[in-house]
Amino acid sequence: EVQLVESGGGLVQPGGSLRLSCAASGFNFNNYWMHWVRQAPGKGLVWVSHINGDGTITNYADSVKGRFTISRDNTKNILYLQMNNLTAADTAVYFCAGAFDFWGQGTMVSVSS
Amino acid sequence: QAGLTQPPSVSQGLGQIATLTCTGNSDNIANQGATWLQHHQGHPPKLLLYRNAIRPSGISARLSASTSGKTASLTITGLQAEDEADYYCSVWDNSLSNWVFGGGTKLTVL
Repeated sequence: EVQLVESGGGLVQPGGSLRLSCAASGFNFNNYWMHWVRQAPGKGLVWVSHINGDGTITNYADSVKGRFTISRDNTKNILYLQMNNLTAADTAVYFCAGAFDFWGQGTMVSVSS
Repeated sequence: QAGLTQPPSVSQGLGQIATLTCTGNSDNIANQGATWLQHHQGHPPKLLLYRNAIRPSGISARLSASTSGKTASLTITGLQAEDEADYYCSVWDNSLSNWVFGGGTKLTVL
């Protein structure tokens, strides 16, 4: 059974940092482009970043470029999103997805003082 | 950041046909098919169709997609109550080197 389980969300002050993790199982993790997609309260889905199978190619939405870093550990089947200099606009549920085929349940990130 | 334009809402009756549209530009929709996702709030999104053509196993044949110029369309026939959800189109934008998402369409089944 395919599973993606996000963790690491929580409440953080503006300017703070968080690292999200996404543990994958049930599919060949190494072969999949992995994505982070977020949904702010009451808003639509927004793509954040993706990384190719061996971690050599990454891309970011303009809104997070320079602040967020996506990475993966293929030995542990874990996807990461390091988020720095967070602002209220980053408040959202963050989903990890495997090539949009597989999705986690999401983890909530709240940025507030 | 350029995005894709979707109508905020569409309503159709039970058993009827709904067509959801997604308008982009020459750097995204026009040169590849759209990827369509269904999202019931409180649940993870679900992939419906990848680049217009690839339907994952378990996705109903009532769903089909097409592209004409800069507009992609998702057609759902024989509408059922469980089709009521938010629908998103997405596509790789060559000029941005980003995936872009539409704002989503809320489909109401009357």
